[in-house]
Amino acid sequence: ILNVEQSPQSLHVQEGDSTNFTCSFPSSNFYALHWYRWETAKSPEALFVMTLNGDEKKKGRISATLNTKEGYSYLYIKGSQPEDSATYLCALSQAGGTSYGKLTFGQGTILTVHP
Amino acid sequence: DAMVIQNPRYQVTQFGKPVTLSCSQTLNHNVMYWYQQKSSQAPKLLFHYYDKDFNNEADTPDNFQSRRPNTSFCFLDIRSPGLGDAAMYLCATSRDLQLEQYFGPGTRLTVT
Repeated sequence: ILNVEQSPQSLHVQEGDSTNFTCSFPSSNFYALHWYRWETAKSPEALFVMTLNGDEKKKGRISATLNTKEGYSYLYIKGSQPEDSATYLCALSQAGGTSYGKLTFGQGTILTVHP
Repeated sequence: DAMVIQNPRYQVTQFGKPVTLSCSQTLNHNVMYWYQQKSSQAPKLLFHYYDKDFNNEADTPDNFQSRRPNTSFCFLDIRSPGLGDAAMYLCATSRDLQLEQYFGPGTRLTVT
């Protein structure tokens, strides 16, 4: 059974604060690591797909890094805004075996940004 | 414009009463997935269709079935819902395996 862990489970920050959270995963048989943002009453929205060790991706104030050798990814949000409040999910896809083509999700980090 | 649509958004059913959740897509993707997310837990894959080929996860209860009558639609049937089946059910699509998945907004199922 694959174990994808996210921490912290929830986070409260003030508007303007920068924040980061972690996704850890088994490093064997790695194919890709996905980050999704899921706002209440909306569809989970893909933020990043990361495949290479050392990858760093950025979209506006949000960025992510990937370390496939040690099995972790960080998501950073610079200058948090109330509209960043959402659940952030990471998901692992593996290169082969019975998990091929499937996403194994972490339980998510719930971010609340207070004005 | 919504690309993966789930109906209804909220569903209440009685213990033991069959219920069907619906997903449709406008992306013409080959693969459609159903995930179950219980409170504070990770979304868990129940099964997926690659075109007409059905792929069940080993630990998906027999109570859960799926149908895909055409490319655009996929249904999740719960034959005899128990209280433990109350959850958010997410549908997703991808053009092929290992490619980005696009999600619908989910159906929240309550079992009374």
